[in-house]
Amino acid sequence: SQTIHQWPATLVQPVGSPLSLECTVEGTSNPNLYWYRQAAGRGLQLLFYSVGIGQISSEVPQNLSASRPQDRQFILSSKKLLLSDSGFYLCAWTSLSYEQYFGPGTRLTVT
Amino acid sequence: AQSVTQLDSHVSVSEGTPVLLRCNYSSSYSPSLFWYVQHPNKGLQLLLKYTSAATLVKGINGFEAEFKKSETSFHLTKPSAHMSDAAEYFCVVSDRISGGSNYKLTFGKGTLLTVNP
Repeated sequence: SQTIHQWPATLVQPVGSPLSLECTVEGTSNPNLYWYRQAAGRGLQLLFYSVGIGQISSEVPQNLSASRPQDRQFILSSKKLLLSDSGFYLCAWTSLSYEQYFGPGTRLTVT
Repeated sequence: AQSVTQLDSHVSVSEGTPVLLRCNYSSSYSPSLFWYVQHPNKGLQLLLKYTSAATLVKGINGFEAEFKKSETSFHLTKPSAHMSDAAEYFCVVSDRISGGSNYKLTFGKGTLLTVNP
């Protein structure tokens, strides 16, 4: 069966510091992968999606970037965090029947 | 462009009473529709999905939803609420991106369900 992992689970970082969040999927090949951010009371916002290694599409301009160095690995990064980057970050992958399956999330607090 | 409107930001019910979470959608194509549930500080779990088959869809934990094209609605119901149902619920519409094999999900803003003992 397929499993999706995210780490770390929680992170507290100062403004201006770098960020790296990792997402990996097991039990499937060539998944479509997604990064979402969930801010308090604002639902989910799609940040990036990837249909293959090295292929990244950005949905909104922002302080973040994404990379997909391996088929089942998706990384969210920032060179300098802003206070507004705080939120709950969710990674997801798509099945053949296109429903998305979500990881457990990373709670990021920028101080 | 597709959109989703969850009509209630917060619904409060008593344990053992019915649950109704309302969702209306807008889509240019024949949409796929989903309901997800999120417990505090957890990821989202798929409850059920509609993909142009039966209009009444049964999901996990006793939830079901009915697709009504004429009303552009996809309301989520459960006959009897349980304390463990307390969570946030998201209605989602899926549409194909640029004719390829990738799909974009558009999420509603969520409905927080409170279940009172």
